[in-house]
Parts: sequence; structure tokens; C-alpha cells
Amino acid sequence: GAVVSQHPSWVICKSGTSVKIECRSLDFQATTMFWYRQFPKQSLMLMATSNEGSKATYEQGVEKDKFLINHASLTLSTLTVTSAHPEDSSFYICSVPQGSGELFFGEGSRLTVL
Amino acid sequence: DQQVKQNSPSLSVQEGRISILNCDYTNSMFDYFLWYKKYPAEGPTFLISISSIKDKNEDGRFTVFLNKSAKHLSLHIVPSQPGDSAVYFCAASRLNTGNQFYFGTGTSLTVIP
Repeated sequence: GAVVSQHPSWVICKSGTSVKIECRSLDFQATTMFWYRQFPKQSLMLMATSNEGSKATYEQGVEKDKFLINHASLTLSTLTVTSAHPEDSSFYICSVPQGSGELFFGEGSRLTVL
Repeated sequence: DQQVKQNSPSLSVQEGRISILNCDYTNSMFDYFLWYKKYPAEGPTFLISISSIKDKNEDGRFTVFLNKSAKHLSLHIVPSQPGDSAVYFCAASRLNTGNQFYFGTGTSLTVIP
């Protein structure tokens, strides 16, 4: 069964609205979660590292005021795309690392901004 | 700067033959490598891993080879099956950096029945 769950799997919104994507670790507690973005035919780009109980760490070039990350509990991290624009349309994926070094990925969330 | 590269964006192989997917990396500090498989509109799923203390790891039809001196790894799928058609990503990490993985750009494998 799934180890990491994302919701929603697909969301369509109007330009200027905010969208929240949830990432849940189902089988184990996660002090760290990763958020990625994938454009068509491109690699997964690490956006930020979500840290439970503290601020997220953003990769260079990622606007932290636009992509708000909240890691409120050991099983839930949320990514909020604020004031979304069509160029934010993408496939957003979270992952949860295990102690073995393996990463478990969520199913991904496809965002389409009209 | 792309630290992990997959130079072949696509690969087509006949069913039953071997598929070989290649991956190169530039950071000699990487010590843990993984291969992921991804279907359209889904998140990647873990396939196989290898740590830098090994040069080969095998799991069923999937074998990963690591050449540290060449900073190169490859994934062999034998025999290839139509259900293997997907995008394959290699990823590399330094395990003491909190599991931050660097991904290649992916290779789209098509297995022809």
C-alpha cells in the first residue's frame, strides 16, 4: 500500500487564487519531507525541504513567499501556492526519506492555473 | 549546474531484450544512488539502489552497476517487458546531507511488444 499520500491529485484554479497541496506520511513519522516540481519532459527539481516544527529550507531561486510550506505534524506537510499564475502550472511531488536512505514519493499533484 | 545527467532522453527496446539506461554524475562525494520509475501523471516509484561500497546490486530483472572511477552508473533490465515502458530517473545523494537527492533528467524507455 501507499506509504506517502498526496491530495489533491489534480486541481484546476483561476489565476490569483491560492492552492494548498497536502503530503501525508502514512506508515512512519517524518521530521523531514521534500517538495519537488516537475515540468513536462524535465527532471524533478527540488523546491524545498520541509522541517517539522521549524521553517522550511528553500532551494535557490524558489520564492518562499509564493510557495508556503508548513510541516505542522510528523505526518503532514502542506505546500500552498499563493496567488497562482499560469506559469505555476506543474506537477508537484513530495517525498519522505526513510532512515535506510530510501525516498518514498507521493503520487503527485497536478496543478493547472487558468 | 546539473550534477546528475542522463544523456539519453529516450530508448526503445524489443520485448525480451536487454534495456540499458545510463547515468553520469559529477560530484565524487555522492555515496548513494537510486533508480526510480515514473508513469505519466504519477509520482516516481523506487526501483533499486546501490551504495558506493558496492559495484553491483541485483533485484530480479533489474541490476544496477556502479563505476566510481568513471562516475557512472547503469540500470540493466533483462528481459525487458512492455510494462517496463516508463520514464526512469537516476538519483544521487550524500547520505550525511539529510537525504537530499539530485535527480537526472530521465530516460523514457519504450519496450516494443
